[in-house]
Amino acid sequence: AQSVTQPDIHITVSEGASLELRCNYSYGATPYLFWYVQSPGQGLQLLLKYFSGDTLVQGIKGFEAEFKRSQSSFNLRKPSVHWSDAAEYFCAVGAGGLTGGGNKLTFGTGTQLKVEL
Amino acid sequence: EAQVTQNPRYLITVTGKKLTVTCSQNMNHEYMSWYRQDPGLGLRQIYYSMNVEVTDKGDVPEGYKVSRKEKRNFPLILESPSPNQTSLYFCASSPNPYRQELGANVLTFGAGSRLTVL
Repeated sequence: AQSVTQPDIHITVSEGASLELRCNYSYGATPYLFWYVQSPGQGLQLLLKYFSGDTLVQGIKGFEAEFKRSQSSFNLRKPSVHWSDAAEYFCAVGAGGLTGGGNKLTFGTGTQLKVEL
Repeated sequence: EAQVTQNPRYLITVTGKKLTVTCSQNMNHEYMSWYRQDPGLGLRQIYYSMNVEVTDKGDVPEGYKVSRKEKRNFPLILESPSPNQTSLYFCASSPNPYRQELGANVLTFGAGSRLTVL
């Protein structure tokens, strides 16, 4: 069964500082990996995704993530955080329809990001 | 605008009073699903539907029903709600995940429906 671990429940960074949110996954084959962001009272917005190819993927809002198969990780990074980045971030893994469940995503428990001005 | 629309966005109800949360998408997507979000647990899939009249259980289906009579709609039904169903619910849709096309495996989520069962 696939699973996702986000080891940091809360992270606080200063505005302008760099950010890295950790994500480790467990999946038997090449996974489809996603990062979503949820602002307070809002739905889930897709930041970026990895299906195959280049292991460094660029997303919206200046975010990027790197897929490292040897470490089963898909960490999210941003070089300079803005106050508007304060939100909850979810890492998710999917099988992309290759197994039962269609586009089922398994989510991590989320990392709450606080940005200090 | 391409979107997934859920209603109601907020609902407070009492134990045992049947309710339905509607979900509608305007992207002609074949695949739709429901998730619930709980603190410390992330999002968990309740039910999904591969197409009209094709539905199946996700990880936490107990206490819920769904139907898919039309392609665009996928309502979530709580026949007899209980307090442990107090949660934030998300509907999501995508193209057919088995098609080799761009975006086939990307879910679009609705804004969420916060349900409180007293």
